[in-house]
Amino acid sequence: SAVISQKPSRDICQRGTSLTIQCQVDSQVTMMFWYRQQPGQSLTLIATANQGSEATYESGFVIDKFPISRPNLTFSTLTVSNMSPEDSSIYLCSVERAGPRGNTIYFGEGSWLTVV
Amino acid sequence: QQQVKQSPQSLIVQKGGISIINCAYENTAFDYFPWYQQFPGKGPALLIAIRPDVSEKKEGRFTISFNKSAKQFSLHIMDSQPGDSATYFCAGSIGAGNMLTFGGGTRLMVKP
Repeated sequence: SAVISQKPSRDICQRGTSLTIQCQVDSQVTMMFWYRQQPGQSLTLIATANQGSEATYESGFVIDKFPISRPNLTFSTLTVSNMSPEDSSIYLCSVERAGPRGNTIYFGEGSWLTVV
Repeated sequence: QQQVKQSPQSLIVQKGGISIINCAYENTAFDYFPWYQQFPGKGPALLIAIRPDVSEKKEGRFTISFNKSAKQFSLHIMDSQPGDSATYFCAGSIGAGNMLTFGGGTRLMVKP
């Protein structure tokens, strides 16, 4: 398995502010993914972050709103900019890792953001 | 466009019963179909996964049945236990380590 640490685990944010979420992995990984899970909903991919290149964003997500950094093979950040209540969600970092079941996607515990 | 449809949205099963969750996918390029289990306050954890070259995969009390021609797959939880109460997500991807497209999720409650 992979040990994925996310910070903050939970936060309450003011409307109009920005918050940066950190994702630290216990070993080097090539591919990292950021997902959003709105309350009671499924997971939606925001972007794929590979080291050494710009993040690839999915439809409906833009870099100005969700800037991502990937400075090395064990770390990434996701910033949620100019937050509104609609951004209240769980933001999940995930990585691809080889394991006994073959390549698998592992998730962190998530960062629970509430925008007031 | 939702590429993976999951049903039911919620499910209540008695302890010892069989829980069945169904998924249908649209993208025929998908070649990896995992199921994730998520407990409240936790991130999703891989439960079991299947590739389309087999019709069934069993791990303990969990079984995936796969119907490639119908583009459907299902999760069966045998002898369901209260500890199985969680939200279950099916997903599809092109390649096992690639980005996942998730179904809508099923909230399972197993009554003692």
